[in-house]
Amino acid sequence: EAQVTQNPRYLITVTGKKLTVTCSQNMNHEYMSWYRQDPGLGLRQIYYSMNVEVTDKGDVPEGYKVSRKEKRNFPLILESPSPNQTSLYFCASSLLSVGGNEQFFGPGTRLTVL
Amino acid sequence: KQEVTQIPAALSVPEGENLVLNCSFTDSAIYNLQWFRQDPGKGLTSLLLIQSSQREQTSGRLNASLDKSSGRSTLYIAASQPGDSATYLCAVRIESNYQLIWGAGTKLIIKP
Repeated sequence: EAQVTQNPRYLITVTGKKLTVTCSQNMNHEYMSWYRQDPGLGLRQIYYSMNVEVTDKGDVPEGYKVSRKEKRNFPLILESPSPNQTSLYFCASSLLSVGGNEQFFGPGTRLTVL
Repeated sequence: KQEVTQIPAALSVPEGENLVLNCSFTDSAIYNLQWFRQDPGKGLTSLLLIQSSQREQTSGRLNASLDKSSGRSTLYIAASQPGDSATYLCAVRIESNYQLIWGAGTKLIIKP
């Protein structure tokens, strides 16, 4: 089944404790991205990647890191989480073409930073 | 800078009605526009994708139109059902860096 998977789905942690949220897709998509969703603010892009070893900042990259060592994986790293990073996080992927392609989303990771 | 606006922010209608959700964007330099559905606390499900060269797309009771020159898209839902209750989001993929720019969504409630 074609899908984007994220782990963990739920996470409660404390300020300053490094964490990684994994994202994997099995559709051979070049383009992957991370979003956070907050009430009243909608979806905001954190980082994106157009291919292996190519990553770029989105609209709200502060406090986050990503890596793209393999095509299928795009982990999101919070080196020192803070309470303002409490949010619902989504990973997404799509093919990369001039005409643009459908974006597929993971199920989301609800993160709470105490 | 591209901005996407969805009106209304919330809508409550009786079951069986036909309804229209609106999405507008400020810059016509887009690859496509995509409509999504999100149930409370859940992920996003893609409903319809309209390429910039297309005028509309249909899937079952859903029909989405795109008027790129005026920066507007509508999502038409026919014969609404309580199961259609969700938040509907539109997003445009901009040409400059392939980024998706999102509207804030319309929260739809269909009353039985």
